[in-house]
Amino acid sequence: KAGVTQTPRYLIKTRGQQVTLSCSPISGHRSVSWYQQTPGQGLQFLFEYFSETQRNKGNFPGRFSGRQFSNSRSEMNVSTLELGDSALYLCASGGGRGYEDTQYFGPGTRLTVL
Amino acid sequence: AQSVTQPDIHITVSEGASLELRCNYSYGATPYLFWYVQSPGQGLQLLLKYFSGDTLVQGIKGFEAEFKRSQSSFNLRKPSVHWSDAAEYFCAVGRGSGTASKLTFGTGTRLQVTL
Repeated sequence: KAGVTQTPRYLIKTRGQQVTLSCSPISGHRSVSWYQQTPGQGLQFLFEYFSETQRNKGNFPGRFSGRQFSNSRSEMNVSTLELGDSALYLCASGGGRGYEDTQYFGPGTRLTVL
Repeated sequence: AQSVTQPDIHITVSEGASLELRCNYSYGATPYLFWYVQSPGQGLQLLLKYFSGDTLVQGIKGFEAEFKRSQSSFNLRKPSVHWSDAAEYFCAVGRGSGTASKLTFGTGTRLQVTL
């Protein structure tokens, strides 16, 4: 089975712009979660989508949003970029079955905000 | 609120030596615990997981971890480290109530292997 894929792998934007990141989960997985990784804050949960609905949400401002499509692919959008948004954004997919769900991560998108 | 503590930021071991990475968690119910490894510039690879049952779990690449409820610990071990094991290791706890999809991570332990 192919793993989780994320596009693009690298992105450079300037402050004030917006950006959209894409994630394709493992075939058959219905849950997609997004995490932000920075040297200062570590790995932080952004949100999770399951069957096109946001199921969990972390403590991030409304500038961070996401969606999931009927084929389980997910996009994450960040509007009005700030320097502090520079990070590795990781997507993880899971079966979404609940208690014994395991998250499998993609390679990440490295976002640099100038 | 759930939390994970990895007290060792950086560990250096010689190739062939044994390894133990520490992880302590705080959680109100039965935790769902994971260890992931991250090589530079890469995503996270799952090493092993604990949901229930046998408290000693085996993972990939020769790693194992032991769940100790009384100590709120889930330490990762490997009997003989290889140079390719140099990476950053993250312990994580899942939400557990209804879904394990929301993971809380520790701050990571960077492993350096000397030849």
